[in-house]
Amino acid sequence: AQSVTQLDSHVSVSEGTPVLLRCNYSSSYSPSLFWYVQHPNKGLQLLLKYTSAATLVKGINGFEAEFKKSETSFHLTKPSAHMSDAAEYFCVVSRNQAGTALIFGKGTTLSVSS
Amino acid sequence: EAGVAQSPRYKIIEKRQSVAFWCNPISGHATLYWYQQILGQGPKLLIQFQNNGVVDDSQLPKDRFSAERLKGVDSTLKIQPAKLEDSAVYLCASRQGRNTEAFFGQGTRLTVV
Repeated sequence: AQSVTQLDSHVSVSEGTPVLLRCNYSSSYSPSLFWYVQHPNKGLQLLLKYTSAATLVKGINGFEAEFKKSETSFHLTKPSAHMSDAAEYFCVVSRNQAGTALIFGKGTTLSVSS
Repeated sequence: EAGVAQSPRYKIIEKRQSVAFWCNPISGHATLYWYQQILGQGPKLLIQFQNNGVVDDSQLPKDRFSAERLKGVDSTLKIQPAKLEDSAVYLCASRQGRNTEAFFGQGTRLTVV
């Protein structure tokens, strides 16, 4: 079975400060891991993905995440927050096999203040 | 390339009525998912198709929900009869294969009154 836990339901940062959104996963198999972002009234957009290649993954808009197998974590970071980063972020796990489902975390709401 | 298309974008119905949602995935994507996203929660998988076969429908309330994927392309999700708790955004996504991401449509926002 697979599951994902997003450790913070809400994170607040000031513009220009670092962002850290935490995600732990559980998987009996070699996982694929993703971070998606959802802006209000918009569709889900992929930020980045890990699929058993490099453990440090760079995504769009300056975001990156590091896969740490020993800690079963896949935390999302950004060095400097921008107002436009305010959104809902979802950590997603999937088995590294064709035809498997994407299991979503409950989401983390990121607020950015000026 | 064209994205995942869903229609309608919004639907308001009364409880006990029926409703259907349509999804056209990205061409060539074998895997198609339907998710339910209740306000303030993460998307929950309802059903997954691989081509035109069902892979996982364990969380689909089969007494009221049904889905099909004709010829392994378009898909429809139906609710009959609807309940108040079915109010949610219904997301369709498609995926090419392993090690790839899923692409999501804009969703259908259903309000049951």
